[in-house]
Amino acid sequence: NAGVMQNPRHLVRRRGQEARLRCSPMKGHSHVYWYRQLPEEGLKFMVYLQKENIIDESGMPKERFSAEFPKEGPSILRIQQVVRGDSAAYFCASSLTGAYNEQFFGPGTRLTVL
Amino acid sequence: AQTVTQSQPEMSVQEAETVTLSCTYDTSESDYYLFWYKQPPSRQMILVIRQEAYKQQNATENRFSVNFQKAAKSFSLKISDSQLGDAAMYFCAYSRAYNTDKLIFGTGTRLQVFP
Repeated sequence: NAGVMQNPRHLVRRRGQEARLRCSPMKGHSHVYWYRQLPEEGLKFMVYLQKENIIDESGMPKERFSAEFPKEGPSILRIQQVVRGDSAAYFCASSLTGAYNEQFFGPGTRLTVL
Repeated sequence: AQTVTQSQPEMSVQEAETVTLSCTYDTSESDYYLFWYKQPPSRQMILVIRQEAYKQQNATENRFSVNFQKAAKSFSLKISDSQLGDAAMYFCAYSRAYNTDKLIFGTGTRLQVFP
């Protein structure tokens, strides 16, 4: 059973460009979470999604950031018009329903904004 | 709002010795989950151990055990017989006792293991 997959692993963008980060949850997992880790800091929750629904987006910046988890395909975290402060590692995690909130993490995408 | 505090930015231990990492949290909930995650240099987040607040018995996973003090809102991780491969960042995390919910992380403790 493959783990949580994220791609790309490294992404370099110039200021003003768009960044698209993809996450494929573990097989059978229908819950996806996105977290951001700034350098030398802990992970901060951004958004929680189920298929076709955003359940909790309380950690998402109000502008430029959006997330989706379509019926088919991976979850996408989209950052428009990136700025240097968006440089961070973005982690995706997935979980099963009824699993005591045990979340399995992907390897992360390191975004660098030049 | 719930918060998680790890007051030890760095800790070190000699191989085969025991080390304890501290974590405190704040919540008004009576039931919740607590976790310790390990992040080695590869940056992959690995679940080390989980505790359900309604369980009084401390969780144990091989060389890893916790000291859960609910009244004090304390959740420390003890690593016995430390190994070089234990060197990593360790994050304490909290969530409400729902089957699915966001994790709230502390700022982490960097553990160094010396031969």
